[in-house]
Amino acid sequence: KAGVTQTPRYLIKTRGQQVTLSCSPISGHRSVSWYQQTPGQGLQFLFEYFSETQRNKGNFPGRFSGRQFSNSRSEMNVSTLELGDSALYLCASSLRSAGEQYFGPGTRLTVT
Amino acid sequence: AQTVTQSQPEMSVQEAETVTLSCTYDTSESDYYLFWYKQPPSRQMILVIRQEAYKQQNATENRFSVNFQKAAKSFSLKISDSQLGDAAMYFCAYRPSNTGNQFYFGTGTSLTVIP
Repeated sequence: KAGVTQTPRYLIKTRGQQVTLSCSPISGHRSVSWYQQTPGQGLQFLFEYFSETQRNKGNFPGRFSGRQFSNSRSEMNVSTLELGDSALYLCASSLRSAGEQYFGPGTRLTVT
Repeated sequence: AQTVTQSQPEMSVQEAETVTLSCTYDTSESDYYLFWYKQPPSRQMILVIRQEAYKQQNATENRFSVNFQKAAKSFSLKISDSQLGDAAMYFCAYRPSNTGNQFYFGTGTSLTVIP
């Protein structure tokens, strides 16, 4: 079974731009969670989607948003990018909400 | 607030020896789950082991085992017979039982395995 895939793997954007990251979960998994990983703050939870509904949201500004499609694929959008948004964005999928999470390789976002 | 603390930013171990990574957490919940994840330099996070808080028996997965002390809110990971492939960043994570998949991670411990 294929693992969690994330596209693109690397991205360079300029301050003020917006970006969309994509995550394809393991086949059959309905829960997708997003995390931001930085050297200073570590891994921080962004949000979780289950069956196309946002189930949980972390403490991030409204510039960070997401959605999930009927095939469980998820996208994360960051608008008005700031330098501090530079990070590794990890996506994790699980069979159900509150299940074991399987992580993707991440998208490395650099904001200049 | 739920917090997870890993007090050892870096650890090293000789190949074939045993090492223990520490983790403490703070919660007022009685039902929750604890995890150890490994993140090798390739950056793909891999689940190493999980522990349900309601289980008194410590979880074991081959060379990996935990020492779960619920009253002390401590959850350490023991790696026996360390191998070069164990070199990675290890993250301790906590998940309440009733908030979906919102994980709280520690800051990680970088493990070096010395040949």
